[in-house]
Amino acid sequence: DIQMTQSPSTLSASVGDRVTITCRASQSFNTWLAWYQQKPGKAPKLLIYDASSLESGVPSRFSGSGSGTEFTLTISSLQPDDFATYYCQQYNSYSHTFGQGTKLEMK
Amino acid sequence: QVQLVQSGPEMKKPGASVKVSCKASGYTFTDYYMNWVRQAPGQGLEWMGWINPNSGGTNFAQKFQGRVTMTRDTSINTVYMELSRLRSDDTAVYYCSRAMAAEYPGNFWGQGTLVTVSS
Repeated sequence: DIQMTQSPSTLSASVGDRVTITCRASQSFNTWLAWYQQKPGKAPKLLIYDASSLESGVPSRFSGSGSGTEFTLTISSLQPDDFATYYCQQYNSYSHTFGQGTKLEMK
Repeated sequence: QVQLVQSGPEMKKPGASVKVSCKASGYTFTDYYMNWVRQAPGQGLEWMGWINPNSGGTNFAQKFQGRVTMTRDTSINTVYMELSRLRSDDTAVYYCSRAMAAEYPGNFWGQGTLVTVSS
């Protein structure tokens, strides 16, 4: 199975900050990567698919990039609603593994 | 509008089986794969597998091979996930999510079903 490792595990930031979360894969693949946002007690919400395509209805301050083994999610200007946990997921292989998550908390 | 409505919470003993349902509406049921994802309390997301509601074909994470079954009933637009030989570490919220396309991630999610395994 492809293992996905996110960093950092926790990120402290302030409203208006630009933040970046990284997801590294144990083996290289193309761009079959998604990013999700999850708030406590809620189902995950798809933000990005195919590494850089913005899901419909997701604010443009969210962007994704990368290919191969390194991928990033960037929030250009943090809003109060963005404090949540973020997960990457690869869907290149038969097993669609998730990263362990990054908790974005208020500084 | 797309809706996925899951069955209610379950309490099971170790060694038992659980069957969670996910009823879809608002789209053509057989056009989109359905993923199952679980989340143990305070932990991250874990992908379990998918089912193709059109053909009934399935693909499971290796961890669950031999213990999970995914089926569908096209007459009532419902998919099922059954997990057998339950252990305490199977305690989790189980989600169905409609894939964007074949073998893609899910962009519509059910509300989740809490399965508690305890003696």
